[in-house]
Amino acid sequence: GDSVTQMEGPVTLSEEAFLTINCTYTATGYPSLFWYVQYPGEGLQLLLKATKADDKGSNKGFEATYRKETTSFHLEKGSVQVSDSAVYFCALSGIAGRRALTFGSGTRLQVQP
Amino acid sequence: EAGVVQSPRYKIIEKKQPVAFWCNPISGHNTLYWYRQNLGQGPELLIRYENEEAVDDSQLPKDRFSAERLKGVDSTLKIQPAELGDSAVYLCASSLDNSPLHFGNGTRLTVT
Repeated sequence: GDSVTQMEGPVTLSEEAFLTINCTYTATGYPSLFWYVQYPGEGLQLLLKATKADDKGSNKGFEATYRKETTSFHLEKGSVQVSDSAVYFCALSGIAGRRALTFGSGTRLQVQP
Repeated sequence: EAGVVQSPRYKIIEKKQPVAFWCNPISGHNTLYWYRQNLGQGPELLIRYENEEAVDDSQLPKDRFSAERLKGVDSTLKIQPAELGDSAVYLCASSLDNSPLHFGNGTRLTVT
């Protein structure tokens, strides 16, 4: 079945550092890929998405590129802020009408001033 | 627009007791999902509704879990009887056709 693997956290960075959170997936066909973010005490929010190979999703300075050849969707940001501290979830939505998301286990990011 | 609303926010019960969670999706969203999120894990789908029809409940433990969405709007998820391993955050989400999912803040269940 479909699955998503994320790098384990926590990831601890200083403010303005470069961020990469790795995500790889296993799926039949061509899924849509997502990054969701969960800030402390809040619900999951969509951060960005990509629906086909080579698409780049971007939002709030975060980017991720759908790489079919490596089945990856790594999240990057050039300069993190303290306010980016949260848990980040990579997810995929499968094909054939199964629109429910399959999530990775999440990566906690802690940004220190 | 108002987001997905869930209640209660927290629930503490003793094992073997029943418990119910309620979800009001975003107005007009035809698809509703219930997910369970264990501590330190990603959410896992329990059930998905298209309007009032449960179209994917393969991961719902049907011996103790039940759900309903009678008028294709609000939904209730019930556990009876609860077990210690049911302690988790129960998330409701909704979407319209192929739009991204919108999540509620969840109900944190603690079974003692």
